[in-house]
Amino acid sequence: AQKVTQAQTEISVVEKEDVTLDCVYETRDTTYYLFWYKQPPSGELVFLIRRNSFDEQNEISGRYSWNFQKSTSSFNFTITASQVVDSAVYFCALSEANYGGSQGNLIFGKGTKLSVKP
Amino acid sequence: DGGITQSPKYLFRKEGQNVTLSCEQNLNHDAMYWYRQDPGQGLRLIYYSQIVNDFQKGDIAEGYSVSREKKESFPLTVTSAQKNPTAFYLCASSPTGYNQPQHFGDGTRLSIL
Repeated sequence: AQKVTQAQTEISVVEKEDVTLDCVYETRDTTYYLFWYKQPPSGELVFLIRRNSFDEQNEISGRYSWNFQKSTSSFNFTITASQVVDSAVYFCALSEANYGGSQGNLIFGKGTKLSVKP
Repeated sequence: DGGITQSPKYLFRKEGQNVTLSCEQNLNHDAMYWYRQDPGQGLRLIYYSQIVNDFQKGDIAEGYSVSREKKESFPLTVTSAQKNPTAFYLCASSPTGYNQPQHFGDGTRLSIL
């Protein structure tokens, strides 16, 4: 069955520390996409990145980086030199090409709440 | 600017009352979604629609209803049959396809009076 697990419920760091948010997924499909979203206190989810199942190349965007490893079914997210503005709930999500019931349906993890203290 | 507008931001429901949450998008997206978020539970799919005049139940559709008469609009009604409606409701839209990111509104927080 398809599933996304974010084992870290809450993480607290001090500003300028690096922090890694873990995401482990389960899927029967060979074709799928993985996503990360950020939910600041205001409530809306902000799309950060997507990665397809055929592209294991890591990606870096400023202080954000993502490590996708199919061998361990993981898609981890690292924030380098964290800032107070990074405080939010972060969600990992999975979308399958063939088993989603309908294409585009996202399966979300339960989220990791990150608190960055000054 | 293009985006998704949810209203109202806060809503209170009395016992036995139906309430409707509004969701409008001007992104020209075909697909629209409703999610419910409870503390520590992540997002759970209530209903989704891939095209006008068609919609499908998600994982927790009981006690909810939707309509999709226009591409831009996907209102959600929380009926009196939903016994535990207190939650944060998020609407999203996307182009059709499993590789498309969903864009979210600001949410509506529903509480029981």
